[in-house]
Amino acid sequence: GNSVTQMEGPVTLSEEAFLTINCTYTATGYPSLFWYVQYPGEGLQLLLKATKADDKGSNKGFEATYRKETTSFHLEKGSVQVSDSAVYFCALGDTGRRALTFGSGTRLQVQP
Amino acid sequence: DTAVSQTPKYLVTQMGNDKSIKCEQNLGHDTMYWYKQDSKKFLKIMFSYNNKELIINETVPNRFSPKSPDKAHLNLHINSLELGDSAVYFCASSQGGGSTDTQYFGPGTRLTVL
Repeated sequence: GNSVTQMEGPVTLSEEAFLTINCTYTATGYPSLFWYVQYPGEGLQLLLKATKADDKGSNKGFEATYRKETTSFHLEKGSVQVSDSAVYFCALGDTGRRALTFGSGTRLQVQP
Repeated sequence: DTAVSQTPKYLVTQMGNDKSIKCEQNLGHDTMYWYKQDSKKFLKIMFSYNNKELIINETVPNRFSPKSPDKAHLNLHINSLELGDSAVYFCASSQGGGSTDTQYFGPGTRLTVL
């Protein structure tokens, strides 16, 4: 079946540091890939997505590239802010299932 | 305007009780979902409805019964609550149910079973 593996958290960074959160997936066919963010006490919000190989999703300074050859969709940001502190979820949407398969989430803590 | 709303936001109840969580979306979407988030933040699909028709029913105990009175609503009823049901339950919706569709999530309902 489909699965998504994310790096363990928490990730603790200083403001303006570079961020990478690793995400790899296992799926049949050609899934779409998503990053969702969950701020404390809130629901999930879409951060970015990519629907085919080599697509790059980007939003609010975050970006991720759909790499079919390495089955990866790593999230990056060049300079994090305290307001980026949240839990980040990598997710996969496959054509047959009509639901997202989520990774376990990675908590990011940014210190001033 | 709230896109996907859930009520209540918090629910504290005793073991053995029956409770319901309501979800409404005003986005005109065709597909709605219920996800369960456990204490370690892991999210798992429970149910999916498309135009009031059940599409996905994961290995969820029969005590959980979704009901979709119309396309904009998907409620979750839980019978005989158990301690292990304590979690945050998220409702979501999407335009279609395709793999590329963005899902929009409600704020969650934190259920605590004592």
